Amino acid sequence: DVKVTQSSRYLVKRTGEKVFLECVQDMDHENMFWYRQDPGLGLRLIYFSYDVKMKEKGDIPEGYSVSREKKERFSLILESASTNQTSMYLCASSFASGRPTFTDTQYFGPGTRLTVL
Amino acid sequence: GNSVTQMEGPVTLSEEAFLTINCTYTATGYPSLFWYVQYPGEGLQLLLKATKADDKGSNKGFEATYRKETTSFHLEKGSVQVSDSAVYFCALSDSWGKLQFGAGTQVVVTP
Repeated sequence: DVKVTQSSRYLVKRTGEKVFLECVQDMDHENMFWYRQDPGLGLRLIYFSYDVKMKEKGDIPEGYSVSREKKERFSLILESASTNQTSMYLCASSFASGRPTFTDTQYFGPGTRLTVL
Repeated sequence: GNSVTQMEGPVTLSEEAFLTINCTYTATGYPSLFWYVQYPGEGLQLLLKATKADDKGSNKGFEATYRKETTSFHLEKGSVQVSDSAVYFCALSDSWGKLQFGAGTQVVVTP
């Protein structure tokens, strides 16, 4: 089975702190994604990566950056956390040769619930 | 741009009842359509998918048919169980492989 793990289930940070959210997948997937989940809004794509050191902006990249130094690991970085970044963050991965394709199934981690005070 | 609209919840029903969750979409081209499910305290997992018009996806007693003429992908199950209580997300995938999700529908099944 595909396993996507996220470093923390719950995280509490202060406004202005730098926050790292880590995601690791064990299935040698090419593509990895970061979403945030908010009530009434569903999931919104922040960033994705289709190869090591490659990244592309999603629909709501402002205030976030990402890092992918190794194939299995994709990090989401909040350079200076703000209260409006309090949310559930979900990481996902999918297999595709090259860029994501429209038929890919994405596999999700359990999520990190981040609270910024 | 692409969008997905699904019925608001929560949907509350008794065990063995029939479940329908409506989902309609707006998209250019020919997207793939998905239903993902999120059980309490867990991440999302794929429930079923359909990649072209008239395809029917099915899994665990759930079914959905890709209807291009009505731009819909409604989820149905004939007899729900308490264990089906979860949040259900309809999603479409565009030609670049990016998923667009609906807002989610919470389903509560009571014994």
